[in-house]
Amino acid sequence: GQNIDQPTEMTATEGAIVQINCTYQTSGFNGLFWYQQHAGEAPTFLSYNVLDGLEEKGRFSSFLSRSKGYSYLLLKELQMKDSASYLCAGLDSNYQLIWGAGTKLIIKP
Amino acid sequence: GAVVSQHPSWVICKSGTSVKIECRSLDFQATTMFWYRQFPKQSLMLMATSNEGSKATYEQGVEKDKFLINHASLTLSTLTVTSAHPEDSSFYICSATVGAGEVNEQFFGPGTRLTVL
Repeated sequence: GQNIDQPTEMTATEGAIVQINCTYQTSGFNGLFWYQQHAGEAPTFLSYNVLDGLEEKGRFSSFLSRSKGYSYLLLKELQMKDSASYLCAGLDSNYQLIWGAGTKLIIKP
Repeated sequence: GAVVSQHPSWVICKSGTSVKIECRSLDFQATTMFWYRQFPKQSLMLMATSNEGSKATYEQGVEKDKFLINHASLTLSTLTVTSAHPEDSSFYICSATVGAGEVNEQFFGPGTRLTVL
């Protein structure tokens, strides 16, 4: 079956760095997405990885290892507004997104 | 960036009534639109995929006669929850993509929160 695993909740301090991990099992693989979702709002796109390695975009970076079925989202210089759920989603061979349950990130002052 | 709107944002209805939710791509033509449902503290659950001019493809366990999807144009898809019941109360989100058969970012609408009394 297809599955996306990520931690349910994480806590970090303002100004610090946090890494949110995601492991995936999909039927075929056409890339991995990270989305940010604030409570009561729709998800917003953060990143897309299809090749191994690290993609950096400002304070956010995303890493992919296809051989390990593993990705992480790295958030630097955390701000209070980064408190949100972060959704990992894999794109399978049918180009369908398989969603994780999301990681709720709590930022403390 | 591409903008997707949904209407209404909030809806409260009585049990047994039908509710229509609209999803519009405002500045692009969407080849494919997706309808998701999200219960509290859970991830997005894909309900159906719709392509303009053809019947929607429903995910397993989603009743197509209860959740009617119409994708009449490249910029509009509607989801009608027929004979709604309290267990249908949820956050309904649509998304749209451009292109088919390739990797595309999904642009999400703001969501519609449905409460069935």
